[in-house]
Amino acid sequence: QITLKESGPTLVKPTQTLTLTCTFSGFSLSTSGVGVGWIRQPPGKALEWLALIYWDDDKRYSPSLKSRLTITKDTSKNQVVLTMTNMDSLDTATYYCAHRLQQLVAFDYWGQGTLVTVSS
Amino acid sequence: DIVMTQTPLSSPVTLGQPASISCRSSQSLVHSDGNTYLSWLQQRPGQPPRLLIYKISNRFSGVPDRFSGSGAGTDFTLKISRVEAEDVGVYYCMQGTQFPLTFGGGTKVEIK
Repeated sequence: QITLKESGPTLVKPTQTLTLTCTFSGFSLSTSGVGVGWIRQPPGKALEWLALIYWDDDKRYSPSLKSRLTITKDTSKNQVVLTMTNMDSLDTATYYCAHRLQQLVAFDYWGQGTLVTVSS
Repeated sequence: DIVMTQTPLSSPVTLGQPASISCRSSQSLVHSDGNTYLSWLQQRPGQPPRLLIYKISNRFSGVPDRFSGSGAGTDFTLKISRVEAEDVGVYYCMQGTQFPLTFGGGTKVEIK
C-alpha cells in the first residue's frame, strides 16, 4: 500500500525559504521507473506542477520556478524534500507530493497535502 | 509549454445521467515513443486529487467502469456514463508528454 505525507511549516514570512518533506511508504525511490513529484494548488485554483525527482536522481523543474526550487531525495529515509526560496504571498497554496510510475506517466498516489500560508 | 484547456468550466448534471468533459491541448500529446500521456484526475471537495485515467483511456486501479476516457492528438474526453452523488468534484486533465507537466483549469461537476 503506497502512502505519502507532506510535512513542513504552515506559515512562512515573505522572502523566507520554505522546506517541505514528503515521507512515503509502500515503495522505494531506488526502484527503476519510480518518481516523486510536487504539485501545488492555490486556494480555489487549479493544480500546478512544481518539480519531479526520479529513482536515478534525474530532476525536472517548472521553468517558471526553477530558480527558486530544489528537490532532493533520501532513499534510506524514504523522503523527498522540496525547498522554495524567496517566498511570496502568491505562493500561498496547498502543496502535494505524489508518486509517479514511468509506465503510467501519471501521478497515481497523492499525499493529503499541506497548506502553506505566506504572510508577515 | 503545452496549454491544456478544459470545457465546460462547470457541468450541472442530474443523478443517473451522463456527463462529458473536454480537454484540448495546444499541441499534439503524442510522445516520440508513440504513446499519448494524457491523464484525468478527480478532486472531491476537501480531498487530494485522485487518478482516474492514464494514457487517454486506461482506468486506474479501483476506478469504476462508469468512467471512460477517449481521444487522440490534441482532443480528449472524459465521460461519466451515469453520474452518482460521489462523483461531485473538480476534474482535471494533465499531460505528461512534455516538460513542464501541465494541468487543465478544471471542470466542476455538480448535481442539478
